Amino acid sequence: GAVVSQHPSRVICKSGTSVKIECRSLDFQATTMFWYRQFPKKSLMLMATSNEGSKATYEQGVEKDKFLINHASLTLSTLTVTSAHPEDSSFYICSARVAGAGGNEQFFGPGTRLTVL
Amino acid sequence: AQSVTQPDIHITVSEGASLELRCNYSYGATPYLFWYVQSPGQGLQLLLKYFSGDTLVQGIKGFEAEFKRSQSSFNLRKPSVHWSDAAEYFCAVMNYGGATNKLIFGTGTLLAVQP
Repeated sequence: GAVVSQHPSRVICKSGTSVKIECRSLDFQATTMFWYRQFPKKSLMLMATSNEGSKATYEQGVEKDKFLINHASLTLSTLTVTSAHPEDSSFYICSARVAGAGGNEQFFGPGTRLTVL
Repeated sequence: AQSVTQPDIHITVSEGASLELRCNYSYGATPYLFWYVQSPGQGLQLLLKYFSGDTLVQGIKGFEAEFKRSQSSFNLRKPSVHWSDAAEYFCAVMNYGGATNKLIFGTGTLLAVQP
């Protein structure tokens, strides 16, 4: 149980285009999902916290107009990288927190490798 | 501010040897602590976690970790390393409070296993 999927696993796009990444909790409901970015040989940096039915909370330094997050249901959050540039190339990982009491654990998706040409 | 330090960027051990990965944290209250493993190009898998109670925590794949409050440490150990353990290991502390419960990660330790 507690499986989180991401789609696509890899995406290559041209500079200036937008890319949408989906994060789904397959067998549980997630009131909160998190989006991380990981640079090569670096740790995970939290970009934003996505709460179902409300606006996402972005970490300092993350452009909310560039990284659009939508958490439309208890099982789906999307991250859209708008007007992507080569410096947006990275590994994006989502996680989901189990709804309800005791939801202190996050379950991670397999990640999405974004390459912007 | 909460932080996590993993002093060792890269460790190489021989297969069958014991392993200890270090993790130190900075947190005002009793922390929630985690160890994750990441294989190349993959997401994170939880190895073990500490919330409260017994300070020696058993995890999956034969890993264990010990919470030492006096040293602000949560080191990960395994008595005998297998080649399949080669991966990147992340220690994390949960910023528990409010509605978000953010995870703060260390910079990771890359483990290489020699035959």
